[in-house]
Order: sequence, then structure tokens, then C-alpha cells
Amino acid sequence: DTAVSQTPKYLVTQMGNDKSIKCEQNLGHDTMYWYKQDSKKFLKIMFSYNNKELIINETVPNRFSPKSPDKAHLNLHINSLELGDSAVYFCASSQSGRPYEQYFGPGTRLTVT
Amino acid sequence: QQQVKQSPQSLIVQKGGISIINCAYENTAFDYFPWYQQFPGKGPALLIAIRPDVSEKKEGRFTISFNKSAKQFSLHIMDSQPGDSATYFCAASGAYSGAGSYQLTFGKGTKLSVIP
Repeated sequence: DTAVSQTPKYLVTQMGNDKSIKCEQNLGHDTMYWYKQDSKKFLKIMFSYNNKELIINETVPNRFSPKSPDKAHLNLHINSLELGDSAVYFCASSQSGRPYEQYFGPGTRLTVT
Repeated sequence: QQQVKQSPQSLIVQKGGISIINCAYENTAFDYFPWYQQFPGKGPALLIAIRPDVSEKKEGRFTISFNKSAKQFSLHIMDSQPGDSATYFCAASGAYSGAGSYQLTFGKGTKLSVIP
């Protein structure tokens, strides 16, 4: 049973396109996140989402937008893709009261050409 | 900006040896210090975590040592095995960032290679 799943695992697209990455968690957690991991393996928080409250890292371009149809899903939409968006994107979830215990998905490797 | 500084960037250890990764933090509001392990092609996974009122926590071959006065903590991997080869991230939690989440601040990671 996969706890946090993401689709697709690989995404190759051209500059200027719009793409989405889907994330689902079956852990019953109430908080979900999106992280970006660059080529140097640095993990950077992009968004935190809990009970319809969204916290955006101020450094994230507004071309990125999370959308949550329900508590178990947090999708990431990216408009007008740029070369610098190439990275691995991780979805994660946690439960209130145990914020240090985050469960990560397998990642989506995005390559923009 | 809150930071967690991690060293070394990479580490090569012989099988059976001890791997030591160090981290330092600045914000005394942090109240949980987890370590995450990431294998190639996988997402990070929680390995072990410690609170600042505890000086040491051990789980199997993995031990966290915590020095509150120095604002430093470290991961020790005893009897390191090739299967431990992965990237290790220290992190700190405790700064409320809204949305029910206490943001995890990650170190930059240490790539550990255990050679037979």
C-alpha cells in the first residue's frame, strides 16, 4: 500500500508549456506539502496546505499553484514552464502534532527542454 | 532566515566503520530534530528524531547526539554497511508557518558511500 503517491514519475516537456503533477496520500494526514529538490539535492519547501489554508514560500514564482480537491490530494500546476524549473518535485504529508514526521512521495522528475 | 548547516557534503566510510554527520542550527525555537534518509530515485524517509531535552537517542545502529548549549546535533551510524549508502538530511522543526504546519528546515544533505 503506497502511503504517498505521485504521478507521473517522469515528465519531459518544452519551455512555455503548462503541466500538472498529481499527489495523493492515504495516511489520513491533514497537512500536505510540495518540495523542490534541485540538482544539488537541496530540498526546498514550496507550499504547505492544511484545511484549505495555503502557505506559500515567498520565493516560489506565481507560475506554480497548488490545488487541493480534497484532504487526500494536493496537485501542483505549473504554467509557462522554464528551463530552471527542471528538478525533482516531492509531495509530502504529515499530521498535526507531528510536523517533523513527514512522509514523502517517490518524486516527479521534471525536465524542461 | 532560519538555517540548518550540515557537514560534510560527502562522506566515504569503510564497511564496519562509523559514519558521523554533523549539523548546527541557530534558532532556539526549534523543538524537534529529525534525520531523513534518501536513496537514489526515492523520496526522503524519516530515520530518527530527537527533542532538545534529550542528549542522545539510539535506534539500532543509528544514534543522534544532541548538544543544546552548542546548538549542534549529529548522526552516528555504527557498523556502517553498503546498504546505508544514501543521502542523509538533518532537519529542524518548530517554527510555525501556518496551515497547521511547523516548517521543516532541512540541511543541504550528506552523500554517504560505504565501501566494502
